[in-house]
Amino acid sequence: DAGVTQSPTHLIKTRGQQVTLRCSPKSGHDTVSWYQQALGQGPQFIFQYYEEEERQRGNFPDRFSGHQFPNYSSELNVNALLLGDSALYLCASSLEDWVIGGYTFGSGTRLTVV
Amino acid sequence: KQEVTQIPAALSVPEGENLVLNCSFTDSAIYNLQWFRQDPGKGLTSLLLIQSSQREQTSGRLNASLDKSSGRSTLYIAASQPGDSATYLCAVRPGQAGTALIFGKGTTLSVSS
Repeated sequence: DAGVTQSPTHLIKTRGQQVTLRCSPKSGHDTVSWYQQALGQGPQFIFQYYEEEERQRGNFPDRFSGHQFPNYSSELNVNALLLGDSALYLCASSLEDWVIGGYTFGSGTRLTVV
Repeated sequence: KQEVTQIPAALSVPEGENLVLNCSFTDSAIYNLQWFRQDPGKGLTSLLLIQSSQREQTSGRLNASLDKSSGRSTLYIAASQPGDSATYLCAVRPGQAGTALIFGKGTTLSVSS
């Protein structure tokens, strides 16, 4: 049973550029959340998608946007990259019945902005 | 605003020791609490999930307890091994509307042989 798959694993971008990160959820999961983890910090919630809609959003600027597809996979887009966007980006999937289940995380995408 | 704190930030122990990692949260209105392991530069691996109605969960050498009223959880690791070296993260799922996990900064564990 495949877990959460993220691509690419590593990425180097120049300040001002745009980036797209991709995530395929664990089989059977219908909800996808994205987190940003800076070095030495705990993951910070960016947003969550369910039924192709953004259901909840954390304290991140509009430069961060996302999308969920009918097959539940998801993309995270970041525009006008800043040096401070360098981080590990984690995707997590879960069931919509979130009271019962926990989250399954992917291995992350390491984004470096130079 | 829910805040999660993990103490200590780092811990070094010799192989074979039993150890306890601590997690505290400011708002007791949570649905569940999850412990994760993270190896350097890698993603998160779920270790244990405790629902708010539960007091503890066990998996192998790991035991996690939850005292919701006092806002505390502990992760007990028995007979530690060098392979246990990693960062351990605690996360709570708040009881209010919304489902985002709120994480602590983690405890980095080093087990020497």
